[in-house]
Amino acid sequence: SAVISQKPSRDICQRGTSLTIQCQVDSQVTMMFWYRQQPGQSLTLIATANQGSEATYESGFVIDKFPISRPNLTFSTLTVSNMSPEDSSIYLCSVLAGITDTQYFGPGTRLTVL
Amino acid sequence: EDKVVQSPLSLVVHEGDTVTLNCSYEVTNFRSLLWYKQEKKAPTFLFMLTSSGIEKKSGRLSSILDKKELFSILNITATQTGDSAVYLCAVENYGQNFVFGPGTRLSVLP
Repeated sequence: SAVISQKPSRDICQRGTSLTIQCQVDSQVTMMFWYRQQPGQSLTLIATANQGSEATYESGFVIDKFPISRPNLTFSTLTVSNMSPEDSSIYLCSVLAGITDTQYFGPGTRLTVL
Repeated sequence: EDKVVQSPLSLVVHEGDTVTLNCSYEVTNFRSLLWYKQEKKAPTFLFMLTSSGIEKKSGRLSSILDKKELFSILNITATQTGDSAVYLCAVENYGQNFVFGPGTRLSVLP
C-alpha cells in the first residue's frame, strides 16, 4: 500500500496569488497524478507527474497555470498560479503502487479563492 | 485513524448478473460518502450519499448509506461488459477532506 499526505489540507487565498500544494508518499512510486474535484462532479485529471521528466498535462490544463515539480520518487508539488475564484476546488494527489498498480489517493487540499 | 474498507477487492461475473459492492468506513466528522467508477485516468462520479436509508438510483446502478452501521453498498443489476472497472468508495469529512478505499475491481465477462 501507499500512504499519502498533502499540505496544506486547506487554504483560503486571494485572487491573483499562487499556492503550492505538496504531496508526500511513504514509498517510492513512478507515477503520480494530480486531480481536481469540484462538488458533486467527477475527479478531473490535471496532469501526470513522472520523476525525471516533464509533467504531462491533460486537455484544458497548462504548465504556466499549474506548474508541477517531481524532484524524486516520493514527492511532488502542484502550484496553482494567478488564482481566480474558479480555481476553488479540492486538489488531490494520487499514485499507483503495489504489484497490481492499485491507485491510492491523498486526503486532498481544499482551496478557496476569494 | 480514519479508514475506508471495500469488499470484495476483485470480482468476476458474467453479463446479466447482479453485483453488490460493499464499503465500510470509520471516520470522524463524516460529511458524505462518494462512489466513483474508474476505467481510465480519472474516476467518474456516480453518487454522493449524505443521509441514511435514502437510495440513489441511476439506471442500473443504485446505492444506499447506513450511517448507523457505517457502510454503503453499490448495486449493479443486469451487468454489462462496459461495467468492468474499478469502483472506488471515498468518504469526505470535515477535517481531512477525503479518505479513499482501495477499490473493487469488477470484471464482467460476456
